[in-house]
Amino acid sequence: GAVVSQHPSWVICKSGTSVKIECRSLDFQATTMFWYRQFPKQSLMLMATSNEGSKATYEQGVEKDKFLINHASLTLSTLTVTSAHPEDSSFYICSGGVGGVADTQYFGPGTRLTVL
Amino acid sequence: EDKVVQSPLSLVVHEGDTVTLNCSYEVTNFRSLLWYKQEKKAPTFLFMLTSSGIEKKSGRLSSILDKKELSSILNITATQTGDSAIYLCAVGIKGGSEKLVFGKGTKLTVNP
Repeated sequence: GAVVSQHPSWVICKSGTSVKIECRSLDFQATTMFWYRQFPKQSLMLMATSNEGSKATYEQGVEKDKFLINHASLTLSTLTVTSAHPEDSSFYICSGGVGGVADTQYFGPGTRLTVL
Repeated sequence: EDKVVQSPLSLVVHEGDTVTLNCSYEVTNFRSLLWYKQEKKAPTFLFMLTSSGIEKKSGRLSSILDKKELSSILNITATQTGDSAIYLCAVGIKGGSEKLVFGKGTKLTVNP
């Protein structure tokens, strides 16, 4: 079945630094990639949707200058958390979608970000 | 605002019990309802439901959608300790910006 990988699986960084998370679809072409954030004991909150070669669409309340998303190819999307602060500590999950239909999403294993 | 509500938020049962998890939704453009199981990492897909009244079954798990009541249930029979997880319900929204809206999940703990 469709496999999505994320790298790194966990990262610890100092406040003020930037962190890049990669999301790759390994055996399919993801026309759309979704980025979610999950706080402890909370559900997945959609941050943004990106289509290959175009700008990401951010959900209300998500700062696009802080969470930079690049979807350069049909198999790779990156999320960069710029000038990270402790409140950005969370579990970030990406998913690859096929055919522009949101209900067919294959989730990556997630990246645990801890900002000190 | 699109909303998905799951109940109960947590549940503790003994092995062999049957459980029913609930999901209700209020969304503008319903496309589908999905159930996922989340253990330590990312969610794994269980079911996708689009038609009302048709039960989907996979082993000891089954689910059904009621579009009139805007709800769905996930049943697990003869629970096992390996069923312990968070069960997430999500609704697929159709339109210009397709997306999934997730509920907070039900944390199921199955004790031996």
